[in-house]
Amino acid sequence: GQQLNQSPQSMFIQEGEDVSMNCTSSSIFNTWLWYKQDPGEGPVLLIALYKAGELTSNGRLTAQFGITRKDSFLNISASIPSDVGIYFCAGSANTGNQFYFGTGTSLTVIP
Amino acid sequence: KAGVTQTPRYLIKTRGQQVTLSCSPISGHRSVSWYQQTPGQGLQFLFEYFSETQRNKGNFPGRFSGRQFSNSRSEMNVSTLELGDSALYLCASSLDRAEAFFGQGTRLTVV
Repeated sequence: GQQLNQSPQSMFIQEGEDVSMNCTSSSIFNTWLWYKQDPGEGPVLLIALYKAGELTSNGRLTAQFGITRKDSFLNISASIPSDVGIYFCAGSANTGNQFYFGTGTSLTVIP
Repeated sequence: KAGVTQTPRYLIKTRGQQVTLSCSPISGHRSVSWYQQTPGQGLQFLFEYFSETQRNKGNFPGRFSGRQFSNSRSEMNVSTLELGDSALYLCASSLDRAEAFFGQGTRLTVV
């Protein structure tokens, strides 16, 4: 199945630093979602985006739906230790609820 | 509001056996999707059910099947288990064409 290109694959940052990650697709999507997954648990929805150019925040997290509708970005400001986990992007072309997932960005925050 | 509930959380099966996994969606959600997550392949879409009908299907062999009941609960069945079927199986529920909320997953180990 299709997978989205998500980068970087992993990040090691100091507590307090900002984080940026992105996701690109060869297809146009109508919905972009960002999830965080802790070990052994299911992904937890962080932010949902529905319109090209849309910028949405959830606390220290901000995500954007790219203008081309083929990419999306997630920023985390002032990282804290509990931000550790794997972040996934997911996109849907609105053919039902079939979401394609990125390969994940593993975030490590060093206290 | 209760979240998505998957049972069982952990399962160990022998090659050649079959297994049935269960998913209870969030109340009011009629769409249920299933995903397979492995370290090497990431999150792969299996299928989606909406109002008891399979609406989308990923690229998995026919050994993987599912169904949805009138109360939106869904089951997924894997027959003739192979070692490569060992994975975290995730169920996600949503209102039609909206963000998907995941359960904690069922960890299947095939020995």
